[in-house]
Amino acid sequence: AQTVTQSQPEMSVQEAETVTLSCTYDTSESDYYLFWYKQPPSRQMILVIRQEAYKQQNATENRFSVNFQKAAKSFSLKISDSQLGDAAMYFCAYRSARGLGSGGSNYKLTFGKGTLLTVNP
Amino acid sequence: NAGVTQTPKFQVLKTGQSMTLQCAQDMNHEYMSWYRQDPGMGLRLIHYSVGAGITDQGEVPNGYNVSRSTTEDFPLRLLSAAPSQTSVYFCASSSLGSPEGQPQHFGDGTRLSIL
Repeated sequence: AQTVTQSQPEMSVQEAETVTLSCTYDTSESDYYLFWYKQPPSRQMILVIRQEAYKQQNATENRFSVNFQKAAKSFSLKISDSQLGDAAMYFCAYRSARGLGSGGSNYKLTFGKGTLLTVNP
Repeated sequence: NAGVTQTPKFQVLKTGQSMTLQCAQDMNHEYMSWYRQDPGMGLRLIHYSVGAGITDQGEVPNGYNVSRSTTEDFPLRLLSAAPSQTSVYFCASSSLGSPEGQPQHFGDGTRLSIL
């Protein structure tokens, strides 16, 4: 079974600075997807960024980028120019890429326990 | 598009009561799932479905039932509520088609308290 570990329960950053949230995972699969979700106080789960394991290039979405190290099974999220609206709980998640042919369980997301990010003005 | 709609947003139950959490999506997604979120635990999968008439158990299925009679709806039933089921519940959906690896879309959650 896959596991996802977020070793930082809480992080803080000054507005306009850069912060990196850590995520490691354990899997025996070679093909999979990784996600970062943001959960603000409103409780919504918002997709921040997505990475396909077969792609060597790190995904970026505006101020958000990842450092994907497949051999190390590491998937960190970097937030540049932090804004007050970035304050939220951030979850790292894993999904198999084996597809429906191997069973619907492959579509489940395995989440880490989350990192609470505080942005200080 | 409304996306994934969950009702109610909040609910308080007494131990032993039953209730149904509703989930509907208007994106024609084949895959639907229910997660529970507890402090310090992340989100854990309760049940999932890959299409109408097909459901299966996730990590923490005990005390919950699901059914999938239509593509759009995936209700979660608590048979006899217990305080351990106090949690925030999320419904999520995604397409099973291409492109692969599409992210799951989440509802806004239901905060459930069992007294």
